[in-house]
Amino acid sequence: NAGVTQTPKFQVLKTGQSMTLQCAQDMNHNSMYWYRQDPGMGLRLIYYSASEGTTDKGEVPNGYNVSRLNKREFSLRLESAAPSQTSVYFCASRFDRDSGNTIYFGEGSWLTVV
Amino acid sequence: KNQVEQSPQSLIILEGKNCTLQCNYTVSPFSNLRWYKQDTGRGPVSLTIMTFSENTKSNGRYTATLDADTKQSSLHITASQLSDSASYICVVSAVNNNAGNMLTFGGGTRLMVKP
Repeated sequence: NAGVTQTPKFQVLKTGQSMTLQCAQDMNHNSMYWYRQDPGMGLRLIYYSASEGTTDKGEVPNGYNVSRLNKREFSLRLESAAPSQTSVYFCASRFDRDSGNTIYFGEGSWLTVV
Repeated sequence: KNQVEQSPQSLIILEGKNCTLQCNYTVSPFSNLRWYKQDTGRGPVSLTIMTFSENTKSNGRYTATLDADTKQSSLHITASQLSDSASYICVVSAVNNNAGNMLTFGGGTRLMVKP
């Protein structure tokens, strides 16, 4: 049972470099999310995709872009990385955005920007 | 602004002891509240969900309570085990609207169970 798979697990970037975090889910979920988790703070929503073909900004979208490539895949891109983007990133999915549905998380991607 | 506050921030208990974690929220309109367990280096995993009409729900040694009037929830862990060492996150959902996802996450309580 793969669930939500995200890559890479760890990445170190230099300021100004770009990179893409990949996420895929095999649960036939419609809604997918990208969060960041910083020490002492709750997870904060960066972007989400309520369904294939749509994406919307969350609470902290600045400095990020996303692509919902198909129903399974939702990628997060940092065009010009900044030290403030050092964080743990979680991809998540759920069947649809009905609040009663469980949201499933990936294992996280640890990103350090130096 | 919707907020979820958890206490304590961290807690150390001895194996076999019980503990209670607290969650206070100001999320409106309220839909449901979930407790997640997050092991170190892993993603959060759902433990239980509470809706407005439920005031107690158990999942093994975990028992969650909800007081919708005071907007408080607690997670009680009975007979703690070393494997309970993790962060516990309270997540409150607002009723769906056209703005999409409406989840508010607490900062978590970091529990350490010592032998």
